[in-house]
Amino acid sequence: GQQLNQSPQSMFIQEGEDVSMNCTSSSIFNTWLWYKQDPGEGPVLLIALYKAGELTSNGRLTAQFGITRKDSFLNISASIPSDVGIYFCAGYMDTGRRALTFGSGTRLQVQP
Amino acid sequence: GAVVSQHPSRVICKSGTSVKIECRSLDFQATTMFWYRQFPKQSLMLMATSNEGSKATYEQGVEKDKFLINHASLTLSTLTVTSAHPEDSSFYICSAREKRETPQFFGPGTRLTVL
Repeated sequence: GQQLNQSPQSMFIQEGEDVSMNCTSSSIFNTWLWYKQDPGEGPVLLIALYKAGELTSNGRLTAQFGITRKDSFLNISASIPSDVGIYFCAGYMDTGRRALTFGSGTRLQVQP
Repeated sequence: GAVVSQHPSRVICKSGTSVKIECRSLDFQATTMFWYRQFPKQSLMLMATSNEGSKATYEQGVEKDKFLINHASLTLSTLTVTSAHPEDSSFYICSAREKRETPQFFGPGTRLTVL
């Protein structure tokens, strides 16, 4: 089962607003990844984080690898309509499991 | 870079037939490929992990004989849904990565509908 708690589950915001979502776990992660999925498409990688405390930006997106290695957040600034989609956090756990563990996703809707 | 293609994007088949889905890494060599299934409004559910040249590792509850996975080269993996039934209808997504603990890059998905 999933071992990542992602919140919020969904958000409905006005264009121009900033957005924040996060993932937490009771387990330690070595890598955090944030993906965006559009309807009927596969997830697209947005940001990859490899070290505790790392803060990385990709345009209007900023993500951080939590210092405890058990959490990560993603911020989107000045949202636009094309930001609509489902955002997933994912990570490689410290247990050595080969596959990614996924969060349950945050569904973002942006009102123009 | 890091492009993964998947074919077909959409398939409709009759109950009892088998369907093959291909996943290719176009610009990198994927030592490991993954197959996921996604139900509407849900997260991705890992079905199996495959390393090139070796047998796939299936997640608990996934039938090996029903979902045959072949990872014959560093750029190609195939998933065959054998004797498909309506309950196999779903969105199947593959992903590939070059090395351990590097990001997985996803294909665009295949929508399977079994009538």
